Amino acid sequence: QVQLVQSEAEMKKPGASVKISCKTSGYTFTSYSIHWLRQAPGHSLEWIGFFNAANGYTKYSEKLQDRVTLTIDTSATTAYMELSSLTSKDTAIYYCARPGTYSPLDYWGQGTLVTISS
Amino acid sequence: EIVLTQSPATLSVSPGETATLSCRTSQIYRSLAWYQQKPGQSPRLLIYSASTRATGVPVRFSGSGSGTEFTLTITGLQSEDFAIYYCQQYNNWPWTFGQGTKVEIK
Repeated sequence: QVQLVQSEAEMKKPGASVKISCKTSGYTFTSYSIHWLRQAPGHSLEWIGFFNAANGYTKYSEKLQDRVTLTIDTSATTAYMELSSLTSKDTAIYYCARPGTYSPLDYWGQGTLVTISS
Repeated sequence: EIVLTQSPATLSVSPGETATLSCRTSQIYRSLAWYQQKPGQSPRLLIYSASTRATGVPVRFSGSGSGTEFTLTITGLQSEDFAIYYCQQYNNWPWTFGQGTKVEIK
């Protein structure tokens, strides 16, 4: 079955960077894109961007495009999201998610809590 | 960026009753999905293309609408259905979500 398993929670200081991993299994990694989203405490979901594992195309939200980098390791079937210049406003649970064949976000990782605190 | 407005913010419903959730937005044709999120869990896709149930979703969940107004209906609410529900558009970048409707036990 399709599984997305994310890395453990992180605590960072303001100005630092964080890199989260999303290990996938149960499907052909290069057949689907991986999307990244986040959810601040008590808030709705915010889409960050996606990496198309088939062709390497990436798209980012304009709000975060200057600070976020999405990459993949095809041999490890793992996707990564790195966010730099962290502030307290970046404190959130970060999710990776995979679309279905016709559906938007069908499979989700368990989430990674990133806490920014001095 | 496309804004999605969900109403009501909170819906108090008794088990067995029907819950009707609304999502309004600008023109997105039928590129709308609904997700369920329970505390401490990742969102779960319920509905996509406005009215298609995702795999394994019970038939008591139904979606309708097109264009700018969409509805999620939960018929015969069960205890496990009390959660927060989000609508999401995927017609335009960036993909955006509504602020959520919390369905609570009356």
